[in-house]
Amino acid sequence: EAGVTQFPSHSVIEKGQTVTLRCDPISGHDNLYWYRRVMGKEIKFLLHFVKESKQDESGMPNNRFLAERTGGTYSTLKVQPAELEDSGVYFCASSHTRTRSPSYEQYFGPGTRLTVT
Amino acid sequence: AQSVTQPDIHITVSEGASLELRCNYSYGATPYLFWYVQSPGQGLQLLLKYFSGDTLVQGIKGFEAEFKRSQSSFNLRKPSVHWSDAAEYFCAVVANSGGYQKVTFGTGTKLQVIP
Repeated sequence: EAGVTQFPSHSVIEKGQTVTLRCDPISGHDNLYWYRRVMGKEIKFLLHFVKESKQDESGMPNNRFLAERTGGTYSTLKVQPAELEDSGVYFCASSHTRTRSPSYEQYFGPGTRLTVT
Repeated sequence: AQSVTQPDIHITVSEGASLELRCNYSYGATPYLFWYVQSPGQGLQLLLKYFSGDTLVQGIKGFEAEFKRSQSSFNLRKPSVHWSDAAEYFCAVVANSGGYQKVTFGTGTKLQVIP
């Protein structure tokens, strides 16, 4: 079974440009999460999809960030326009089904390292 | 709101030595606790988790962690470290949020293993 994949692995852009990150969850996983780690700080939750719907986007930093999940499969995270403070590693994770039990596991991708210069 | 503290940013141990990585949490209810590891170029891999029951939990790769409610701690241990254990380790707490789980991570501890 393929794991969570993310593309690109690394992106370097200039301030003001647009970048789109992609995440392909494990096949059949309804839940998809985005997280971000700014250098030296903790990994922070950005948002959560259940299928194609945004369940929780309380962690999105501002309206320069737009996440979509077309048809409940892969997801994209667009940053437009990018700012210096957006640099960091963006992780995607997926989990199997909606459940009220905490015993599920989120499977993480390798992350996309974004550098804004 | 829940929070996680990992007081050690960087730890260096000799191969074969024992290891303990510290984690303290803050959460109003019964915590659900995790340890993840990230090796270079890899995603976050779950090492172990605690939900209830036995406070000493065993994980993969020979790791274990002990939940101590009185100290709000969930320290990760390994009796003998291997060079392949060099990685970054994250402690996390999961809170129920509207029926879904939201993961809060600590800042991570980088482990260096010297021969």
